[in-house]
Amino acid sequence: SAVISQKPSRDICQRGTSLTIQCQVDSQVTMMFWYRQQPGQSLTLIATANQGSEATYESGFVIDKFPISRPNLTFSTLTVSNMSPEDSSIYLCSAQGNTEAFFGQGTRLTVV
Amino acid sequence: KQEVTQIPAALSVPEGENLVLNCSFTDSAIYNLQWFRQDPGKGLTSLLLIQSSQREQTSGRLNASLDKSSGRSTLYIAASQPGDSATYLCAVRPNDYKLSFGAGTTVTVRA
Repeated sequence: SAVISQKPSRDICQRGTSLTIQCQVDSQVTMMFWYRQQPGQSLTLIATANQGSEATYESGFVIDKFPISRPNLTFSTLTVSNMSPEDSSIYLCSAQGNTEAFFGQGTRLTVV
Repeated sequence: KQEVTQIPAALSVPEGENLVLNCSFTDSAIYNLQWFRQDPGKGLTSLLLIQSSQREQTSGRLNASLDKSSGRSTLYIAASQPGDSATYLCAVRPNDYKLSFGAGTTVTVRA
């Protein structure tokens, strides 16, 4: 199994600013993902974080709004840029082992 | 596109009662299915994973079954406790790595 540390656990941010969320995995994993969970909703995949190359974004998500880095096999960051109240959500990092998916504890973001 | 549905959306039971949570999916070409627990405002905790070749998995009071041909999985929680109160999510993994999630079932166990 893998243990994922995500920080910050929560933040309250002013609109127009940016927040970077960090995700650290305790072992090397091939696949890392970033999800968004809007209030009362299920999880929506934002992008696949690719090691050493640009992230692969899902429909409706763009790099300018959600830039992602993955410099090695254990670490990734997601930045939420130019935030608006509609970005208030829980953001979750996930690592995929050979079979099982693991999740961090999430970042609860409130934009005011 | 894989569609995952969880019924019921919410469930309230007295302590000690058994829980039955349902998950259905539209595309039976899956690699595995995973059940997660989510506490309010928190991340996901993996409960059980069932490979596509398996029929069920058990862990303590939890048992999950899989009927791939009919596109269904059921999570059973025996002798429920107030600490079981949470949202339970079903996630289906196809042959690539992208999970498709259901909307979840929110469980309340009354003391």
